[in-house]
Amino acid sequence: GAVVSQHPSRVICKSGTSVKIECRSLDFQATTMFWYRQFPKQSLMLMATSNEGSKATYEQGVEKDKFLINHASLTLSTLTVTSAHPEDSSFYICSAIPRRERGVRDTQYFGPGTRLTVL
Amino acid sequence: SQQGEEDPQALSIQEGENATMNCSYKTSINNLQWYRQNSGRGLVHLILIRSNEREKHSGRLRVTLDTSKKSSSLLITASRAADTASYFCATDAWNTDKLIFGTGTRLQVFP
Repeated sequence: GAVVSQHPSRVICKSGTSVKIECRSLDFQATTMFWYRQFPKQSLMLMATSNEGSKATYEQGVEKDKFLINHASLTLSTLTVTSAHPEDSSFYICSAIPRRERGVRDTQYFGPGTRLTVL
Repeated sequence: SQQGEEDPQALSIQEGENATMNCSYKTSINNLQWYRQNSGRGLVHLILIRSNEREKHSGRLRVTLDTSKKSSSLLITASRAADTASYFCATDAWNTDKLIFGTGTRLQVFP
């Protein structure tokens, strides 16, 4: 089956530092990856759509200069939380859609998530 | 917000009972999916129902979809303690891959 990994699974950092989270599709190529944020006991909120070889598309209200997304290859997207603050503490989840034939729709495969705690 | 609503927000039942969760959404959809999430973990895909389908089964899961009412339900029959988790519906609008998640239902199954 299609597997998506995230690294690290858990990170604690000091306020003001930057944190990079990796999302990899292990056994398929993904032209599109998504980044979500989930606060405790809440639902997933889409932050941005990451397309290989082009700029990410951010959802309304998400600061693109704070949450830098790079989709440099067909198997890797990275999310960098710049100058992190305690309010950025959250569970970050990525998903990936396999590269597919034109017109064929496929499901998203989710990573296991990264828990970020900013002190 | 385009986020869907789920009810109930929380549900507690005994093992062996059935659990029903409802989801309402706001826009026209291509598919509706249900996911499960154990506390602090990633999402597990349960079932996908297409906009032209009305009902779908998978093991102990039964999903219905009513596009005229923009609603869906997930029924888990003969629940087990291991079914304890949060359940989310997610819709993808026509011609887009974006998923919009519902608010979720926290299910607790007592042994």
